[in-house]
Amino acid sequence: EDQVTQSPEALRLQEGESSSLNCSYTVSGLRGLFWYRQDPGKGPEFLFTLYSAGEEKEKERLKATLTKKESFLHITAPKPEDSATYLCAVHSPYKYIFGTGTRLKVLA
Amino acid sequence: DAGVTQSPTHLIKTRGQHVTLRCSPISGHKSVSWYQQVLGQGPQFIFQYYEKEERGRGNFPDRFSARQFPNYSSELNVNALLLGDSALYLCASSLAQGARYEQYFGPGTRLTVT
Repeated sequence: EDQVTQSPEALRLQEGESSSLNCSYTVSGLRGLFWYRQDPGKGPEFLFTLYSAGEEKEKERLKATLTKKESFLHITAPKPEDSATYLCAVHSPYKYIFGTGTRLKVLA
Repeated sequence: DAGVTQSPTHLIKTRGQHVTLRCSPISGHKSVSWYQQVLGQGPQFIFQYYEKEERGRGNFPDRFSARQFPNYSSELNVNALLLGDSALYLCASSLAQGARYEQYFGPGTRLTVT
């Protein structure tokens, strides 16, 4: 069965304390892996798409990487405004599957 | 440019009733997808439409249906509402179908079934 698992469920960091979020997946025919950020009461905001193992993408303090079984979202020197839920999703033929997300809280 | 818009913002319905949710995609986008998000969970894929045809369907009962209009806007219909249908319903649009086209989400419609 296709599935996406994210860990940890919740993460508290001090401002400037770097860390990584994990997204492991089991899917037949992976077409792409996506990272989104979601603030409370809002729709998800697109961050990255990764297509093949070894691929990396960066945006400001965020860097996403992909292997054949998992993806990591690395957050370098986070700021309080990075606090949000980070969602991972995969695209397999004709459907999208989301994980349950990692709730990140960055303390000043 | 306007992003994805959804209406209404909030909705309260009674069990057994029917509901219609609406979505207008970003200008130029031809694909619309619908998701259900229960509090504390990730979005669950319901449908994807591209060029007015259904191109993907998640594991939802036949009470859920959707359509896409010639202007690429879309409606999600849910019949015989259950308490468990209470959720945030999200619409996402993309230029076309497929993983190479990024999905942009609207703010959602909060549905409460009593």
